[in-house]
Amino acid sequence: KQEVTQIPAALSVPEGENLVLNCSFTDSAIYNLQWFRQDPGKGLTSLLLIQSSQREQTSGRLNASLDKSSGRSTLYIAASQPGDSATYLCAVRLGQAGTALIFGKGTTLSVSS
Amino acid sequence: ETGVTQSPTHLIKTRGQQVTLRCSSQSGHNTVSWYQQALGQGPQFIFQYYREEENGRGNFPPRFSGLQFPNYSSELNVNALELDDSALYLCASSLAGFDGYTFGSGTRLTVV
Repeated sequence: KQEVTQIPAALSVPEGENLVLNCSFTDSAIYNLQWFRQDPGKGLTSLLLIQSSQREQTSGRLNASLDKSSGRSTLYIAASQPGDSATYLCAVRLGQAGTALIFGKGTTLSVSS
Repeated sequence: ETGVTQSPTHLIKTRGQQVTLRCSSQSGHNTVSWYQQALGQGPQFIFQYYREEENGRGNFPPRFSGLQFPNYSSELNVNALELDDSALYLCASSLAGFDGYTFGSGTRLTVV
């Protein structure tokens, strides 16, 4: 059974710091991996999607990497800002049609000014 | 291009009652998935609908049921509500064959 773990559960950093969020999964046979952002009580916003054949994806100050063989992904946030404060969720997808996203519990990030 | 719209935004129900949650998918999307997110947890997959048929289901009892309509909108029905059903219910739409999901803002259900 695929399980997704995110470490740390919470993180507080001062503005401007670079930081790394970690995601691990138990079964390396994934179709893709996605990182989402969730603001309190809100829905999910997709940040980055990495296909199983890819190693990394970048969008602005965000960079996500994928190492399927070790079952790990990292989300790197450069020059953090208070507006980055949110919960970041990692999710893996095992196949195409009819398959679910399997989420971790998330990392709650707080960036202080 | 409109996003995913869910209604209502908040709902309070009594244990044993039934509830219907609604979701309008993003324009151009033909697949709808529903997730349950308890406080402090990641979303858990309930089921997915494509062409008005359920084509994937998570580990949820039969009292969780759904519908998808010809315009691709969807409903989630929960019968015999239990206290543990209190959660944020998220709807996500996508286009079959493509990988992107668009999530709605969710419905916060409280069962008392």
